[in-house]
Amino acid sequence: EDQVTQSPEALRLQEGESSSLNCSYTVSGLRGLFWYRQDPGKGPEFLFTLYSAGEEKEKERLKATLTKKESFLHITAPKPEDSATYLCAVQASGGYNKLIFGAGTRLAVHP
Amino acid sequence: NAGVTQTPKFQVLKTGQSMTLQCAQDMNHEYMSWYRQDPGMGLRLIHYSVGAGITDQGEVPNGYNVSRSTTEDFPLRLLSAAPSQTSVYFCASSPGTAPHEQYFGPGTRLTVT
Repeated sequence: EDQVTQSPEALRLQEGESSSLNCSYTVSGLRGLFWYRQDPGKGPEFLFTLYSAGEEKEKERLKATLTKKESFLHITAPKPEDSATYLCAVQASGGYNKLIFGAGTRLAVHP
Repeated sequence: NAGVTQTPKFQVLKTGQSMTLQCAQDMNHEYMSWYRQDPGMGLRLIHYSVGAGITDQGEVPNGYNVSRSTTEDFPLRLLSAAPSQTSVYFCASSPGTAPHEQYFGPGTRLTVT
């Protein structure tokens, strides 16, 4: 069964304290892995797509990496505005763009 | 472009009532989908459509109906609301069925009493 597990469930950081969020996945053929950001009361907002092991993508303080079993979202020198829930999702082969989501990591960055 | 819009933003129903959640997109996207989001769980796919006139079931379709008569609109119908359908519902669209990013609407918070 295709499955996505994110850890930790919640993370509290001080401003400037770098850390990483983990997304472990089990799918029958990965077509793509997606990272989204979700602010309270809003819909998920797309961040990155990764397609194959070894691929990396960066955007401001965020960097996403992918291996054959997991993905990491590295946050470098975070700011309070980075506080949000970060969602990981995978699309399996033959999935017609059907995404399987993890439960998310709630990140709080304090000044 | 407005992107993906959803109405209403909030809704309270009594058990057994029916209603339709509206979703529209103005990006000419072929693929549209409905998800529900519950605390502690990931977004779960309810129904999806790969184009006008074509719909299919996702992971949790029971109690919901959809239709796709135009490219722009993808309404979700609750036939007879149950407390288990209390959730936040998101509509999403993407250009196609390849691994494209999906664009999400702002969500509808539904409470069934």
